[in-house]
Amino acid sequence: DAKTTQPPSMDCAEGRAANLPCNHSTISGNEYVYWYRQIHSQGPQYIIHGLKNNETNEMASLIITEDRKSSTLILPHATLRDTAVYYCIVRAYNTDKLIFGTGTRLQVFP
Amino acid sequence: DSGVTQTPKHLITATGQRVTLRCSPRSGDLSVYWYQQSLDQGLQFLIQYYNGEERAKGNILERFSAQQFPDLHSELNLSSLELGDSALYFCASSPDFSGEQFFGPGTRLTVL
Repeated sequence: DAKTTQPPSMDCAEGRAANLPCNHSTISGNEYVYWYRQIHSQGPQYIIHGLKNNETNEMASLIITEDRKSSTLILPHATLRDTAVYYCIVRAYNTDKLIFGTGTRLQVFP
Repeated sequence: DSGVTQTPKHLITATGQRVTLRCSPRSGDLSVYWYQQSLDQGLQFLIQYYNGEERAKGNILERFSAQQFPDLHSELNLSSLELGDSALYFCASSPDFSGEQFFGPGTRLTVL
């Protein structure tokens, strides 16, 4: 599985968009980009995933660059409850396990 | 609430002991995954079962073992416990081999 690089921490004002970057320059053609988050010590929560097209769901949007070497998770209107560690994971289609890196600790402030 | 349940929530035991952690997946999910989260190692994949069969193995120690029963619940057995085994243990489930996994609340194991 390709390695990912994320900034260790970010801040965001409540109500503003939070843009979390992820580099995955060694990603292969059959590897998907997944995003999870972990609020305090709760179990990780799935957010979104994509292969090459941009994706949007009720939680977030995922923007993947054309060369697929990086992506950005967008929380359109961050709330205090979005304070968490966000993990960007690259996962091959034919594997099951998730390999978590160190993630980005997002702090949303009032 | 993900629909995945784990028991117990907390477990305190001594070195050398053996414990069993239990996981009930979401209704209908055939895959169960176990992860360990410690302060120095982060979230690490241990093992996966699919419909009763072991499907993938990660960084699981030989002192650890798991199984999935016919009713699809799973147990993670940890033996000859060491101080370094203190961690949060998460179970996750998914309908198949999806990367969209649903995590339980975890079991916090403290080895004294």
